[in-house]
Amino acid sequence: NAGVTQTPKFQVLKTGQSMTLQCAQDMNHNSMYWYRQDPGMGLRLIYYSASEGTTDKGEVPNGYNVSRLNKREFSLRLESAAPSQTSVYFCASRGRMGSPLHFGNGTRLTVT
Amino acid sequence: TQLLEQSPQFLSIQEGENLTVYCNSSSVFSSLQWYRQEPGEGPVLLVTVVTGGEVKKLKRLTFQFGDARKDSSLHITAAQPGDTGLYLCAGKTGANNLFFGTGTRLTVIP
Repeated sequence: NAGVTQTPKFQVLKTGQSMTLQCAQDMNHNSMYWYRQDPGMGLRLIYYSASEGTTDKGEVPNGYNVSRLNKREFSLRLESAAPSQTSVYFCASRGRMGSPLHFGNGTRLTVT
Repeated sequence: TQLLEQSPQFLSIQEGENLTVYCNSSSVFSSLQWYRQEPGEGPVLLVTVVTGGEVKKLKRLTFQFGDARKDSSLHITAAQPGDTGLYLCAGKTGANNLFFGTGTRLTVIP
């Protein structure tokens, strides 16, 4: 069972470059989420999509955009990367409200 | 922003010892979850507690939700090397509002 798949696993960008992080889930979940994880700060919600066709801002949305391409896929885009966006990014999905989050294995992004 | 503080931040113990990890906030949560994360992987849900004062056991792990639903603890009895990992609490306030704690990194030495 694949669950939540994130690509790429690692990425190095120069300041000002753009990139898109991809996430796909095969569990037919309605909701999908993007988090960033930084040392000593836990996971912070960037954006989420409660259902196909909707997206909403989380705690730390500045500098990011998202697209819910279809029910399976939810991408995160950095238009102009900054060193402050160096982090590990996790995608997660959830079925019905109250059910647990299922996380991918993360994308480690370094912006120099 | 709902701040969930976990303590201690780092914990290194010998196999067989007991330990307790704390998760504290000034905010009230409708439920609280505990996750474990291993290197190179995403967090995996261990348990959800919903009722103030609730205690749940998962083998050697005991989870408690505070009476006021602002805090929680995780107690591990006779820790094993397989318990090594990052433990995260997460409090829920609304339909899509799940706030994660700062994490406790546990190392169990054989």
